[in-house]
Amino acid sequence: EAQVTQNPRYLITVTGKKLTVTCSQNMNHEYMSWYRQDPGLGLRQIYYSMNVEVTDKGDVPEGYKVSRKEKRNFPLILESPSPNQTSLYFCASSLAGQGTDTQYFGPGTRLTVL
Amino acid sequence: GIQVEQSPPDLILQEGANSTLRCNFSDSVNNLQWFHQNPWGQLINLFYIPSGTKQNGRLSATTVATERYSLLYISSSQTTDSGVYFCAVFTGGGNKLTFGTGTQLKVEL
Repeated sequence: EAQVTQNPRYLITVTGKKLTVTCSQNMNHEYMSWYRQDPGLGLRQIYYSMNVEVTDKGDVPEGYKVSRKEKRNFPLILESPSPNQTSLYFCASSLAGQGTDTQYFGPGTRLTVL
Repeated sequence: GIQVEQSPPDLILQEGANSTLRCNFSDSVNNLQWFHQNPWGQLINLFYIPSGTKQNGRLSATTVATERYSLLYISSSQTTDSGVYFCAVFTGGGNKLTFGTGTQLKVEL
């Protein structure tokens, strides 16, 4: 089954404790991206990747890191989480960039930083 | 950066009614897509529509790129249509994605 998976689905952590949210797709997609969704602010892009070793900033990259060492994986790293990073996070992938292909979204990761 | 606004922000329909959702964007875009987020939070792609009109069952969409807007039509609405509808535009060479503010739709029996 074609899908985008994220782990963990729920996470409660404390300020400053490094964490990684994994994202994996099994569709051989080149384009992957991360978003956060907050009430009243909608969905905002954090980072995107056009292919292995190619990443770029979205609208809200501060406080986040990403890496794309393999085509299928695109982890989101919070080196020192803060309460303002409490949010619902989505990973997505598509065959290519340019918005010409269907974006497939993961199920979301609800993160709470205390 | 580009501004993407949707209207109305909230909409309540009786089952069977039709509706039109609007997406306005402030600058030229490479592409535009419509998404539905169901009440359980899952995001589903509805249309990729940089220009023109497309139809998929009871849903159709029209984008007039030169006038910087897109419309999503829902006909004969059903309770399963409830959720939030987002438009999203691609800019920055086509790889940066900006979502609209969303329309929260509730379809009642």
